[in-house]
Amino acid sequence: DVKVTQSSRYLVKRTGEKVFLECVQDMDHENMFWYRQDPGLGLRLIYFSYDVKMKEKGDIPEGYSVSREKKERFSLILESASTNQTSMYLCASTLDGTSGREQYFGPGTRLTVT
Amino acid sequence: ELKVEQNPLFLSMQEGKNYTIYCNYSTTSDRLYWYRQDPGKSLESLFVLLSNGAVKQEGRLMASLDTKARLSTLHITAAVHDLSATYFCAVEDSNYQLIWGAGTKLIIKP
Repeated sequence: DVKVTQSSRYLVKRTGEKVFLECVQDMDHENMFWYRQDPGLGLRLIYFSYDVKMKEKGDIPEGYSVSREKKERFSLILESASTNQTSMYLCASTLDGTSGREQYFGPGTRLTVT
Repeated sequence: ELKVEQNPLFLSMQEGKNYTIYCNYSTTSDRLYWYRQDPGKSLESLFVLLSNGAVKQEGRLMASLDTKARLSTLHITAAVHDLSATYFCAVEDSNYQLIWGAGTKLIIKP
């Protein structure tokens, strides 16, 4: 079974703090994603990576950055957390090509910024 | 309420491969659109499908519509890097409004 893990299930941070969210997958997937999920807005893509050190902006990259130094790990960074970044953050991964398009999600990190 | 579902939401593939994007919708509609969007650009219309069994082709892209199944497909043949983009389907509802799928982000690696 594919396993996607995220470093924290719940996180509370103060405004202005730097926040790191880590995601690790154990199936040698090429592609990894960070989404945020807010009520009524569905999933919105923040960033994704299709290879080590490669990244692409998603729909809402402002206020976020990412890092992918190793294939299995994809980090989301909030340089200076703000209250409007309070959300559920979901990491996902998928194989490349035609056989593995299903996205596998981690359990999510519920971040509260106070 | 008309709902439109696309899958996959993301596809990374090698040049030369074939693949299909699917667009399902929940209620009857007579018109379905496929659009392409490049980063930072507006949406570009690719195809308009108006009837059951409609098939349209432009270069390496072919779209089809099955109104009975409420399904449209966008097939990519022998993909090339220039086809990298986000592809959206949109279905016209009874108020002539377009209801959009979430989009399929396609990356074709050289």
